[in-house]
Amino acid sequence: EPEVTQTPSHQVTQMGQEVILRCVPISNHLYFYWYRQILGQKVEFLVSFYNNEISEKSEIFDDQFSVERPDGSNFTLKIRSTKLEDSAMYFCATQARLLSKADTQYFGPGTRLTVL
Amino acid sequence: DAKTTQPPSMDCAEGRAANLPCNHSTISGNEYVYWYRQIHSQGPQYIIHGLKNNETNEMASLIITEDRKSSTLILPHATLRDTAVYYCIVRVALRAGGTSYGKLTFGQGTILTVHP
Repeated sequence: EPEVTQTPSHQVTQMGQEVILRCVPISNHLYFYWYRQILGQKVEFLVSFYNNEISEKSEIFDDQFSVERPDGSNFTLKIRSTKLEDSAMYFCATQARLLSKADTQYFGPGTRLTVL
Repeated sequence: DAKTTQPPSMDCAEGRAANLPCNHSTISGNEYVYWYRQIHSQGPQYIIHGLKNNETNEMASLIITEDRKSSTLILPHATLRDTAVYYCIVRVALRAGGTSYGKLTFGQGTILTVHP
């Protein structure tokens, strides 16, 4: 069964550094999402992306965050200058564009980001 | 999206059916009910979703009341590996064909513990 993959599984960085989290969507999926989960808290929506542009973003997704699909396959989340409070699990999710009931988001295993 | 209410925790004996309730009394006509689960800090896993009819797949059954104000997820023969946090999410269909491609809004969910 096709899966969403994410790299790296764990990223440790110093405060103020830039990080790029990568996601490989399920083939033929066209909707892409990033969520994050701070330890012990709820899964929170960050941003959705379709047709090479942001469809929706949350208040969390400020100017320090950006997303892109640089090569038509990978989907990336960049944090320009990391803060301690950015430490969290980051999940990528993808969804097919089907005019049917099969409109489900599938999540990757996550990247654990630790900011020191 | 409509708000959902779930019990914070439930227990179930291995081999028995687990019935997880969800209240979504403010659901509107174009909103689907989705169920996901999360084991430890893994990525949320899709279980099932429905609009108004009862649904069944290889993992579970979803029973939606006639007024659509509540639903029950049924795991017919719970195993120890079903111990997880279960999320009931209401999500609007954003296009005429009924496809939902908006964000998922996670609550705290129900912690299901399956005992030997």
